[in-house]
Amino acid sequence: QVQLQQSGPGLVKPSQTLSLTCAISGDSVSSNSATYNWIRQSPSRGLEWLGRTYYRSKWYSDYALSVKSRISINPDTSRNQFSLQLNSVTPEDTAVYYCTRAGNIGSYWGFDYWGQGTLVSVSS
Amino acid sequence: QPALTQPASVSGSPGQSITISCTGTRSDVGGHNYVSWYQQHPGKAPKLMIYDVTYRPSGVSNRFSGSKSGNMASLTISGLQAEDEADYYCSSYRGVSTLVFGGGTKLTVL
Repeated sequence: QVQLQQSGPGLVKPSQTLSLTCAISGDSVSSNSATYNWIRQSPSRGLEWLGRTYYRSKWYSDYALSVKSRISINPDTSRNQFSLQLNSVTPEDTAVYYCTRAGNIGSYWGFDYWGQGTLVSVSS
Repeated sequence: QPALTQPASVSGSPGQSITISCTGTRSDVGGHNYVSWYQQHPGKAPKLMIYDVTYRPSGVSNRFSGSKSGNMASLTISGLQAEDEADYYCSSYRGVSTLVFGGGTKLTVL
């Protein structure tokens, strides 16, 4: 059974960097069929896909245009996890952040496993 | 403003069928067969109910079905049960490795 366990601070100051980690059990971040994604949810913006990382003989990352200039999603193969870094945050980045997996059921855009969610507030 | 349009709310009585629509454009719903539907109960993470327009993940009840016509996708829930009461979201691939979501529909079981 796949499990995604999120960790990271729930409060970030404006202009600083939001950092979250998602530990994977029951699968590998280096899987040749899965993609590992970050999605956030807020009352003002709804559900928003932020980006993904995946391995297909080499590592790839894709990012949503809305955050492309300030986001980085990276795998950590030694710990079987992946991370999200979002720079220069503002109160607009306040949301519940989820890590998710896609790909193993044949669809790269159907997220079959989700982390528990982390509420991140951006406030001084 | 969500990229995909869903009704804010729908309701039905136990045993009835309901349909939730998800309207996009030919750049997303109409142009790709990568529409998914998620169920979300309060305080919980979304749960995948339908992927690639019509496919159900293992373990999802066959009371849930998906379809698409043109730029509109639909989720149908038959034999409504009390536990189906939740928020439902659609998503669609939009090309260039981009995914968009609907604004969500609150389903009330009367």
